[in-house]
Amino acid sequence: TQLLEQSPQFLSIQEGENLTVYCNSSSVFSSLQWYRQEPGEGPVLLVTVVTGGEVKKLKRLTFQFGDARKDSSLHITAAQPGDTGLYLCAGAKDTGNQFYFGTGTSLTVIP
Amino acid sequence: DAGITQSPRHKVTETGTPVTLRCHQTENHRYMYWYRQDPGHGLRLIHYSYGVKDTDKGEVSDGYSVSRSKTEDFLLTLESATSSQTSVYFCAISDGSRYTGELFFGEGSRLTVL
Repeated sequence: TQLLEQSPQFLSIQEGENLTVYCNSSSVFSSLQWYRQEPGEGPVLLVTVVTGGEVKKLKRLTFQFGDARKDSSLHITAAQPGDTGLYLCAGAKDTGNQFYFGTGTSLTVIP
Repeated sequence: DAGITQSPRHKVTETGTPVTLRCHQTENHRYMYWYRQDPGHGLRLIHYSYGVKDTDKGEVSDGYSVSRSKTEDFLLTLESATSSQTSVYFCAISDGSRYTGELFFGEGSRLTVL
């Protein structure tokens, strides 16, 4: 059983639609990161959130860290084909340098 | 791009044979990690290192060992490979900024155990 569960596991939407990906846990994390991975490559960091309730925006992407620091969400507005990829959340616990990854959400945006 | 090189990138081996994967970095980062990626599981931490000769276990360390004799190299060894170890293995490095350190990943090593 993994510490972080993501939903949905797969998501296929039309260009221009909005979507939300969820990352949930029963554990508290000191920080939460979101990565995007494209086929054949390693994940690349999108954002880090560290404060409960924190909201960060990166162009059309909005990230939120839950008040209790147990969950996070990623919202994409007006999705584009370039957003296609595997989205992974990762949490750091009190030790600070171990990052536990979520189960992943595979997003396909259809032109 | 962070200087991380994994080798080999692809390997096919038979059950029971030893396998070593190598991760080489040119960033002089203190922390190095080995993850495996399987469908439906995201990335799972196998082992990590916080300095030369300093290593610790992750979530799925059974059947794996690691060594770090130099800052730039982190080796992952499967002493006797099993089919359940068929996976894509990723090495990652971090400067170790507590809680917020960014992980930089290599391109992955695809291992198939027949």
